Parts: sequence; structure tokens; C-alpha cells
Amino acid sequence: AQKVTQAQTEISVVEKEDVTLDCVYETRDTTYYLFWYKQPPSGELVFLIRRNSFDEQNEISGRYSWNFQKSTSSFNFTITASQVVDSAVYFCALKYTGANSKLTFGKGITLSVRP
Amino acid sequence: DTEVTQTPKHLVMGMTNKKSLKCEQHMGHRAMYWYKQKAKKPPELMFVYSYEKLSINESVPSRFSPECPNSSLLNLHLHALQPEDSALYLCASSQDQYSNQPQHFGDGTRLSIL
Repeated sequence: AQKVTQAQTEISVVEKEDVTLDCVYETRDTTYYLFWYKQPPSGELVFLIRRNSFDEQNEISGRYSWNFQKSTSSFNFTITASQVVDSAVYFCALKYTGANSKLTFGKGITLSVRP
Repeated sequence: DTEVTQTPKHLVMGMTNKKSLKCEQHMGHRAMYWYKQKAKKPPELMFVYSYEKLSINESVPSRFSPECPNSSLLNLHLHALQPEDSALYLCASSQDQYSNQPQHFGDGTRLSIL
């Protein structure tokens, strides 16, 4: 069974603060893929990053960085110097490679960045 | 701008109406998806089409009927919906169903059932 846990439900920070969004996953597959999506109030889910299970390199993209640790089954997302435009719901998702392959989403984290 | 286009953006319909949601992509993707999302919840998968054939039906009630006329288009036909079907309906596409390529989502259709 696949499961994604985003224990934080709502986070509120002041602009320019750093914030980390946690994601813990469970899977019995040895090959799997992890994703982060952003959903602003407009509704569209915006793809942010993908990580393959065999690639534990961390990644930085501008103010965004991701920490993937297989030992703890975690794939955490940090926003540095947050901005009001970062306010959105953030979903972590897991995809396995077997038959009926599909995305399993976490419950999402609502991030509010106050000016 | 999203590369997956959904129409209409908003739809209000009565329980006896018949309507259709449309989704289009021109990225050459061979997998297309319908999701239903209620407020403050993650998207729930409804259907997956792979190479224009229905691959997954997540036990969706028959009042929702998907159709994939060609590799670029995906429709969702609605008939005799219930008030609890009010939600955001998201369409997505990906290179194929099984690879590590991400799904790309449209803006969604906000559906209200009166």
C-alpha cells in the first residue's frame, strides 16, 4: 500500500521567513517517484519537482530546495525568504511503477505568507 | 498559462441536466486523467486513459461517463448528478501512465449542482 503523510495542515509565516513543509511516505516498491505540487487559489496544480527513488541528490531551484532522505522516507520542501505569492496549498505525491500506476497525494499543507 | 485547457471554467447545473466537461492538451501526451477535488482535500482520481483506452476507473458512479475521442481530447459527460458532486474537476495529462514524467494539470472546472 502507498501512503503519503503531510502532518502539518496549516502554516502561517511572515514574509521573508524560511519555512519547511514536511512529507513522509510509505511504499513497498523499490522504484517509485515523488512529486511536489503547488495549488494557488486559482485551482491549477502546478508541478514543482520530481524525484526518482534511486536519486537521493538534493535540489535547489531559486528560493526552493528539496531534501530527499530514503533512510527516513522523507521528502521535505523548504522555501527560503518566503513571499506572499508563495501562499498556496502544497501537495506531496507518490507514484509507484506497477500495474494501475497512479499518483497518491498527501492531504496538503496550506501555507499563508503574511506581508 | 497552463498547457492543459479545460472548459468551461465554471458550470452550474440542475440534477436533471446533461452537460459535458472538456479537456485538451497538445503536448503529445498519451495518458489523460480526470480528478475530483472537494474543498480542502487532495484530488481524487476518477479515470485514467492510456493511449485512448480506459485504463483505470476508480469505481466512479455511472452518472459520470468519460470519453477520449482522440489523443488530445478528454471529455467527461455528466448526467443526473447529485449535490454532493459539486466540486472542482481537474484534468491532467502525462507522457504516459507508467513513466516518471509528471502530470500536468488544467485550471479545472468548478461544478455546482443545484
